Amino acid sequence: DQQVKQNSPSLSVQEGRISILNCDYTNSMFDYFLWYKKYPAEGPTFLISISSIKDKNEDGRFTVFLNKSAKHLSLHIVPSQPGDSAVYFCAASGGLEAGNMLTFGGGTRLMVKP
Amino acid sequence: EAQVTQNPRYLITVTGKKLTVTCSQNMNHEYMSWYRQDPGLGLRQIYYSMNVEVTDKGDVPEGYKVSRKEKRNFPLILESPSPNQTSLYFCASSLSASSSTDTQYFGPGTRLTVL
Repeated sequence: DQQVKQNSPSLSVQEGRISILNCDYTNSMFDYFLWYKKYPAEGPTFLISISSIKDKNEDGRFTVFLNKSAKHLSLHIVPSQPGDSAVYFCAASGGLEAGNMLTFGGGTRLMVKP
Repeated sequence: EAQVTQNPRYLITVTGKKLTVTCSQNMNHEYMSWYRQDPGLGLRQIYYSMNVEVTDKGDVPEGYKVSRKEKRNFPLILESPSPNQTSLYFCASSLSASSSTDTQYFGPGTRLTVL
């Protein structure tokens, strides 16, 4: 049973508009959440993260929101650019014994149309 | 340049023929791990290592072996590959083995096909 789920396998957005990527998790022990971006033929690269003690973290055009009660996080990209077209993975870690182990969602392919 | 390298990048092999995928990092990271990526399933951890000579199973370890004899290298070994191990494999490393907030850096991936 997947502990981290991204229910939308793909998302298409017009350039300049907002992209919203969603992620749900089930394990209440997770206390740190990350978003990775992946281009074809490359490894995932870290994008932005959020600790469970916060509900929002912003970095330029990227903002991650965390709703702990709903076990839901989302990534907002504003404004979206064609270069943002990639697969986005959310990941979670945490718990005393988890150390640096990451649990990933299935990914959402974002396509930003010019 | 700080990086994680993997070799080979692409490999086609046949069932039962032992293979090794190498992984090396030049950042003096303690933590290294292997993931496989399959459609709809995201990245699933195969094995990880918290330091030299310390390895442990991840979520999907069956059919794989690893070793960590040196800090920089973490090879993935398939003793007898089977078609269900056809996948895209990523090696990753991070500075600390104990902190969940350390960023993991990923290699470029190895696409393996087992016929």
